[in-house]
Amino acid sequence: GIQVEQSPPDLILQEGANSTLRCNFSDSVNNLQWFHQNPWGQLINLFYIPSGTKQNGRLSATTVATERYSLLYISSSQTTDSGVYFCAVEAWAAGNKLTFGGGTRVLVKP
Amino acid sequence: ETGVTQTPRHLVMGMTNKKSLKCEQHLGHNAMYWYKQSAKKPLELMFVYSLEERVENNSVPSRFSPECPNSSHLFLHLHTLQPEDSALYLCASSQGYNQPQHFGDGTRLSIL
Repeated sequence: GIQVEQSPPDLILQEGANSTLRCNFSDSVNNLQWFHQNPWGQLINLFYIPSGTKQNGRLSATTVATERYSLLYISSSQTTDSGVYFCAVEAWAAGNKLTFGGGTRVLVKP
Repeated sequence: ETGVTQTPRHLVMGMTNKKSLKCEQHLGHNAMYWYKQSAKKPLELMFVYSLEERVENNSVPSRFSPECPNSSHLFLHLHTLQPEDSALYLCASSQGYNQPQHFGDGTRLSIL
């Protein structure tokens, strides 16, 4: 099946800092989503981005499908950005199931 | 309002109990999913329903039994669970394959 690797596994930020999270995948994908899971377990859809660049407030994401990676940018981080960020992909090679990476755990300190 | 509602939010049960998890989506989607999230592990897909038919069953033990009576509702019936089944169970829905999945808030299940 398809492999999805996220880096770094853990990230500690000072409030106001910028950061980049990376998602690498091992095969061509039809769909890529970024999620944020808050400390209460709620999983929020951030971006649906199989290719290109999208922005939503302080967050933006870029997927370079030909090179099999996606980046999530967090600018001017806030304590409410804390949680786990998951990348998930759907690929023909994996039967179109959404396959999740291991996540990046982010802690933003005040 | 996420559009996908799961009940209950928390459930504690003994290994011999029978309980059900409920998921309801208000988004008009055609596909619904159950995922399991154990501590320090990626989300694992358990079941997929498309147009009320099960299209995916990822080698899930028979003590988990899904039911999809219509396109808006999805249940997960639990029976004779094991302690290792303690986890966060997440429901999601999407318009179809290759469409964004929207998740409920999850049911945190603890098996005594």
